[in-house]
Amino acid sequence: DGGITQSPKYLFRKEGQNVTLSCEQNLNHDAMYWYRQDPGQGLRLIYYSQIVNDFQKGDIAEGYSVSREKKESFPLTVTSAQKNPTAFYLCASSIRTVEWDDTEAFFGQGTRLTVV
Amino acid sequence: GEDVEQSLFLSVREGDSSVINCTYTDSSSTYLYWYKQEPGAGLQLLTYIFSNMDMKQDQRLTVLLNKKDKHLSLRIADTQTGDSAIYFCAEETGGYNKLIFGAGTRLAVHP
Repeated sequence: DGGITQSPKYLFRKEGQNVTLSCEQNLNHDAMYWYRQDPGQGLRLIYYSQIVNDFQKGDIAEGYSVSREKKESFPLTVTSAQKNPTAFYLCASSIRTVEWDDTEAFFGQGTRLTVV
Repeated sequence: GEDVEQSLFLSVREGDSSVINCTYTDSSSTYLYWYKQEPGAGLQLLTYIFSNMDMKQDQRLTVLLNKKDKHLSLRIADTQTGDSAIYFCAEETGGYNKLIFGAGTRLAVHP
């Protein structure tokens, strides 16, 4: 089955620790994204990558880091520098074809991170 | 700056139509999207509309776009209990699927 997989679904972290969220896709998509969702707020872009070995900061990149060593994988590390890391994290991937009406971003099921 | 706004809550009776509204600010947006999120799950793309269209219909879903007012709406006909979810409006900006999302509208469907 083609899709995008995030793991784990729930993650607990002690204050001061780094933690890495996994995101894998087998859709052969070039672009991948990380969003953060907080209650009552829209999704905010953390980092995105349009191609392997390249990534750009989104709107709220501080306290996060990413890597894109393989097309299929775009892990997100939440570092101890992130002041308020408790949130729901969504990974997405996308492809754009030459036909304008065939574009879509696929989302994973999300990882809920709680700092204890 | 870029901003997308939605009302936070909508309650409808089963069988009625639901209309969820959204306003955006980036006039250069190429695509506008509607996503659905069920509890504890990721986002599911419902539909999208290209910025040179006024309307798009897809089964029970109708999207209306007023580009002059930067207003987007999603109409769900014959709303069912399974439609209860949070609906996110998103505009694409900066190219290559960089999306700006609204805060989401929680749709509650009651008998």
